[in-house]
Amino acid sequence: AQSVAQPEDQVNVAEGNPLTVKCTYSVSGNPYLFWYVQYPNRGLQFLLKYITGDNLVKGSYGFEAEFNKSQTSFHLKKPSALVSDSALYFCAVRGLNTGFQKLVFGTGTRLLVSP
Amino acid sequence: KAGVTQTPRYLIKTRGQQVTLSCSPISGHRSVSWYQQTPGQGLQFLFEYFSETQRNKGNFPGRFSGRQFSNSRSEMNVSTLELGDSALYLCASTPGQGITDTQYFGPGTRLTVL
Repeated sequence: AQSVAQPEDQVNVAEGNPLTVKCTYSVSGNPYLFWYVQYPNRGLQFLLKYITGDNLVKGSYGFEAEFNKSQTSFHLKKPSALVSDSALYFCAVRGLNTGFQKLVFGTGTRLLVSP
Repeated sequence: KAGVTQTPRYLIKTRGQQVTLSCSPISGHRSVSWYQQTPGQGLQFLFEYFSETQRNKGNFPGRFSGRQFSNSRSEMNVSTLELGDSALYLCASTPGQGITDTQYFGPGTRLTVL
């Protein structure tokens, strides 16, 4: 069965420092990986996705993610964090056996960026 | 282009009642999926519709149902509400059925069951 693990419930980082939010996955066949962000009382906002090709994917708001097939990981990164990046981040996977458009989500990681 | 819209945004019901939530996808998008988000269970897939046909269904009881109309708008219905149905219900749309398609989410409907 497809699954996603986000091992950290919360990540704390100071503004201006680099940030990493971790994600590992398990899926049959090629993985299609997504990152979303959720602000309070809002829906999910798409950040970036990995389909194939370059292992470093660039997305919205300066975020990027690195796909590592051998470690089955897809960590989200940003070189310099902003206070406004504080939110809930979800990693999600879709595979051939997931079923059409269904996304399987991780449990989410809360990012807190302090001034 | 307008995003995914969901109505109502907030809803309060009592146990045993039923509720209908509505979702309008991004213009031109033909696939609509629904998810339930709770603090305890996280984000769980409910069902997916494409061209008025249910293509996939999550592991939820039969009290949860949905449909899609010819204009791609979708509704989901929950009958005989239980306290545990309190959640944020999210709708997402994609242009088609491509496995690489991005799902774009609406703001959600916050359902509270008393």
